[in-house]
Amino acid sequence: GAGVSQSPSNKVTEKGKDVELRCDPISGHTALYWYRQSLGQGLEFLIYFQGNSAPDKSGLPSDRFSAERTGGSVSTLTIQRTQQEDSAVYLCASSLDPGLSRETQYFGPGTRLLVL
Amino acid sequence: SQQGEEDPQALSIQEGENATMNCSYKTSINNLQWYRQNSGRGLVHLILIRSNEREKHSGRLRVTLDTSKKSSSLLITASRAADTASYFCATDARNYGQNFVFGPGTRLSVLP
Repeated sequence: GAGVSQSPSNKVTEKGKDVELRCDPISGHTALYWYRQSLGQGLEFLIYFQGNSAPDKSGLPSDRFSAERTGGSVSTLTIQRTQQEDSAVYLCASSLDPGLSRETQYFGPGTRLLVL
Repeated sequence: SQQGEEDPQALSIQEGENATMNCSYKTSINNLQWYRQNSGRGLVHLILIRSNEREKHSGRLRVTLDTSKKSSSLLITASRAADTASYFCATDARNYGQNFVFGPGTRLSVLP
């Protein structure tokens, strides 16, 4: 079956521009997560959506970062006025229903963002 | 140290040997998960162990959890060259005021 997909796979942008990254979770998965991974580093939690609950935005590094999830499915991560330190791989994951102990996260291939 | 911190940072072994990676964390947790990441690709879930479990097996993988020491270990037995990857532990502490935290990972190289 289809896994988590992300687009674009690579994005090169100029400092100061806005970018939008898209995540299509596995159909039926109620939870969606965004992470950031800098080169050679671990994952940094950004934001978590679970069903109709208010998202957990505690990991967003600044107010330039925002995310939304429309219709409980597709999610878009937006970075405004990009900075060079935003360069990283942005990973999206989904899980079936953490509230019912189905927490295994299925990851997409990531979007590699380079800010020049 | 940070939540979900693995050690060693890098490990190099010969094919057929066992590989042990450790993870330490700071807060109480709901569960702890281990993931593998091949170079340049997404993460693949390996195994999940809940806070009330002490050991789990999956194929050549064995995970232990010691909540009193706030630590976990991942053992890969009879390693293969295809096991070469980075391994991350991730703690789920949503009931304890924290969200998902991944450690920096252990880079495992299995030499043929």
